[in-house]
Amino acid sequence: DAGITQSPRHKVTETGTPVTLRCHQTENHRYMYWYRQDPGHGLRLIHYSYGVKDTDKGEVSDGYSVSRSKTEDFLLTLESATSSQTSVYFCAISEGGRGGELFFGEGSRLTVL
Amino acid sequence: SQQGEEDPQALSIQEGENATMNCSYKTSINNLQWYRQNSGRGLVHLILIRSNEREKHSGRLRVTLDTSKKSSSLLITASRAADTASYFCATDAIGGGADGLTFGKGTHLIIQP
Repeated sequence: DAGITQSPRHKVTETGTPVTLRCHQTENHRYMYWYRQDPGHGLRLIHYSYGVKDTDKGEVSDGYSVSRSKTEDFLLTLESATSSQTSVYFCAISEGGRGGELFFGEGSRLTVL
Repeated sequence: SQQGEEDPQALSIQEGENATMNCSYKTSINNLQWYRQNSGRGLVHLILIRSNEREKHSGRLRVTLDTSKKSSSLLITASRAADTASYFCATDAIGGGADGLTFGKGTHLIIQP
């Protein structure tokens, strides 16, 4: 299994509070991604990174920010959580970049009350 | 926006039977990939087929690609209870953004013992 760790795995928070999800990899892959998975929508890309301090927006980036200060860590921040951000969040990594095989973490289930 | 759409949304078969899932997509692609997701887990890459390939095999998996019809199928032969999972197709669209893959909503496969 690819070395990808997401934390926390489960979190319940209240509307308006900040939340940070962490993705840590031990594979030294250049590309990292954050997806959210919701019933009826499948997986949708939030943000991705193609190197340290190099990030870009995905399909559903509003309300989210990311940071990558080290190759191994990719942080997803919800500055002020809303109920619509209740979801399961998956981190993925890729060695070859766009179009390549993705390796996924186990997911972080976030509930915003 | 959803590039790939799996069909059927749900499929229930007896153990030992073959399972076929289909994926249709809208724009030209570089490659198409299939992933499996067990309940409560992250996605796992199964197979990648390039646009210039028509068929690919991996163990009990057979994937076909028809670029003229913009469709792909995943066949699982001699199904087992452990094959119970959701299956997603993901496409790398030509001219797509640097983020790469777009996922469908998945087919939920149940193998009855």
